[in-house]
Amino acid sequence: DVKVTQSSRYLVKRTGEKVFLECVQDMDHENMFWYRQDPGLGLRLIYFSYDVKMKEKGDIPEGYSVSREKKERFSLILESASTNQTSMYLCASSLGQPQHFGDGTRLSIL
Amino acid sequence: GIQVEQSPPDLILQEGANSTLRCNFSDSVNNLQWFHQNPWGQLINLFYIPSGTKQNGRLSATTVATERYSLLYISSSQTTDSGVYFCAVYNDMRFGAGTRLTVKP
Repeated sequence: DVKVTQSSRYLVKRTGEKVFLECVQDMDHENMFWYRQDPGLGLRLIYFSYDVKMKEKGDIPEGYSVSREKKERFSLILESASTNQTSMYLCASSLGQPQHFGDGTRLSIL
Repeated sequence: GIQVEQSPPDLILQEGANSTLRCNFSDSVNNLQWFHQNPWGQLINLFYIPSGTKQNGRLSATTVATERYSLLYISSSQTTDSGVYFCAVYNDMRFGAGTRLTVKP
């Protein structure tokens, strides 16, 4: 069965910290995605990657970067965390379609 | 980019009732997927349905790509159906804002 694992379920960080969110998939999928979810807005795409060392900006990339050094791992980086980045973060992977999601990381920036 | 609208935003049902959730999109889509997000925040795939009709137990979905909408049908609803239902289109990886369903015992 498909398995997408996010490293933390809950995370609390301080303003200005550099924050790493990790996502690992075990299905040898080419495509990986990072979304954030906020009330009333659904999921919004931050970044995605179609292959190792490749990355593409989604709708809301500002304040974020990503790293894909290995096929199975896609990291989301908050360079200098701010309170408006408090949100639920969801990682997904796919081989074509459909997408499969991890359980999410609820991140609070204080 | 493509716009995705879901209706209704909120829905309250009594256990056993049927319901229809709608997803409208503003342009032709290559792929469409329905998800259920449970109260613990987990997103569960329901249907991958770029066109046509699919059924899985009490749930079924229909996408009419030429008319730019998709419908999710829930029959004989149960309390475990509660949560938020999202549709997503993959031209731009766009999600609708969701329909929050509450099924009361």
